[in-house]
Amino acid sequence: GQQLNQSPQSMFIQEGEDVSMNCTSSSIFNTWLWYKQDPGEGPVLLIALYKAGELTSNGRLTAQFGITRKDSFLNISASIPSDVGIYFCAGRPEGAQKLVFGQGTRLTINP
Amino acid sequence: GAVVSQHPSWVICKSGTSVKIECRSLDFQATTMFWYRQFPKQSLMLMATSNEGSKATYEQGVEKDKFLINHASLTLSTLTVTSAHPEDSSFYICSARTVQETQYFGPGTRLLVL
Repeated sequence: GQQLNQSPQSMFIQEGEDVSMNCTSSSIFNTWLWYKQDPGEGPVLLIALYKAGELTSNGRLTAQFGITRKDSFLNISASIPSDVGIYFCAGRPEGAQKLVFGQGTRLTINP
Repeated sequence: GAVVSQHPSWVICKSGTSVKIECRSLDFQATTMFWYRQFPKQSLMLMATSNEGSKATYEQGVEKDKFLINHASLTLSTLTVTSAHPEDSSFYICSARTVQETQYFGPGTRLLVL
């Protein structure tokens, strides 16, 4: 099925560094969602984006819905140990009912 | 944010038995719920879309007679794994969609079939 290209696949950073990840698609999306998943748990919604160009923050997290409606990025500023986990982007293609997921970005933080 | 619960959180069963997993939206009504399966270190794989009051829509390759879905109310969907076998062992996650079209996920159910 259709998938989003999410990059990078993994990141190894130092505590306090900023993080940036993105997702791209070949088709237009109406909604972009960013989730974080900890081991053995379900994904938790971080930020939801509904309009092209929309820029939304949630604490240290900032995400944007690309103007072309084919991409989105998530930034995390001043990373802390609890930011460790897998981050998934998800989008709803125009006219579709179901979400398409990226392959995830695994974030590891060195103390 | 909206809360979605799943029960049980984990289950161990013998091969050949059936297992039912419940998914509830606790503080909102969800006309549409989704069931996913996730293998280790992989992304979520959509199994089926569950619409309240109608038959579920299954993704290609997912056996509808094997994975029975019932969306009997606006806050409850159930997934029954019938005649479970070891290859059905996995992490099953449900999600529910709000009227704003935001999807919230349950905590997942880990199934181990012996």
